[in-house]
This record gives sequence, C-alpha cells and structure tokens, in this order.
Amino acid sequence: QKEVEQDPGPLSVPEGAIVSLNCTYSNSAFQYFMWYRQYSRKGPELLMYTYSSGNKEDGRFTAQVDKSSKYISLFIRDSQPSDSATYLCAMKESENTGFQKLVFGTGTRLLVSP
Amino acid sequence: DSGVTQTPKHLITATGQRVTLRCSPRSGDLSVYWYQQSLDQGLQFLIQYYNGEERAKGNILERFSAQQFPDLHSELNLSSLELGDSALYFCASSISGGASYNEQFFGPGTRLTVL
Repeated sequence: QKEVEQDPGPLSVPEGAIVSLNCTYSNSAFQYFMWYRQYSRKGPELLMYTYSSGNKEDGRFTAQVDKSSKYISLFIRDSQPSDSATYLCAMKESENTGFQKLVFGTGTRLLVSP
Repeated sequence: DSGVTQTPKHLITATGQRVTLRCSPRSGDLSVYWYQQSLDQGLQFLIQYYNGEERAKGNILERFSAQQFPDLHSELNLSSLELGDSALYFCASSISGGASYNEQFFGPGTRLTVL
C-alpha cells in the first residue's frame, strides 16, 4: 500500500463547477500537507500548504486537512478552463525528522470544459 | 518561471549508457532535490543536497548518483540505463534544508527516454 493515495482521474467538469480533489494517507507522522498544480510538460508549482489540521483559503482554492481520518481535500470554486491540469497532493513528516522529504500522490488530472 | 533551470530538456539514449542531468537552483537557495516522475509511480523523491552535502536519500537506485558543487548547481548521474529509467526527472530547490517546511520550487524537468 502506498503512503499517499490519490485517484488519478481524469475528472471532467463544466466551467463554473466546484471541484473536489482528495488524498488519503497512512503515515500518521505527516504534519505538512501541500497541493501542487502541474500543467502538461511543466514542473509542479505549489498552490497551497497547510500545517496540521484545519482549513486554509486562498482565492478560489480551499485546502482542508482531517488528520483523524487521514484525509485531505482541495476545493476549487468557479472552476475555469485554465484550471485544467494535474493536481498533486504532497506531505511531509514533522519537524523532528530534520529533512525535507516530500511524499507525493500520483496526481489527479482535472479537465474543465468551457 | 520558478527560477530553477534544468538541462537538457530532452535526452534520448540507449540501454546500458550513462547520462548526466544538470540543475541550477534559484538564486539564494542552498538545497537541491531530485525527483523522478513516471506514469505508474508518480513523483518519487530521489535525493536531497544541502550546501554541498547529502542531506536525505529516498528511493534512489545504486546506479544513480548525484552531487552538489560549490556554486550550488547539482548533477544527477544515471548509469547502466534500463528501459524502466525512462521518466521525467525534476530538480527542485529551497532556501534551506532544515526541519521546518520550506517551499520547494521545481524546474521544468528533463525528459529521459531510454531505447
């Protein structure tokens, strides 16, 4: 079993829809949770990061972390065709480990049609 | 543009060969990370260097090695290449390599095809 599981999709939605992307994980030591966006033939770029549990909002994007369920989500409101990309969740263990190893999900491909 | 550069963009080679991928981190970043991205495995952490020293190792094969030079650029050497090594190789950099979270900025990647 992988440490981080993510549905590969593709997830197809019409423009303006609310999108929900999710990851589950098994390692209870994860404390930092990130969402990256990767356009085709490009490197991943950080969208949001959250420390421990809770919600974080940035414009049309909201990240949620539920550590009790080992489940994280990214919501995109008013989705746009420009949001079409692969979304990768990533996680990092607590500060005690002393290094920056990120564990990524395999990514969910999102397609937003006009 | 993240500020991280990688060369070459594409590399096509044969099985058994050796290649070198190069990465220049963002100005001011001391840490460099290497990742491999394949269709079935996703993005896998290979290795991290901080200010010239190896800091962390992930699922890096013994046929692969890396180093970070005094000017902070890094090279990833892949030898005795196999078909399964075909993948996208990303370099990322961050300000430091310590315990607390530092955003990693990813380069555009090098696409390696082994024939």
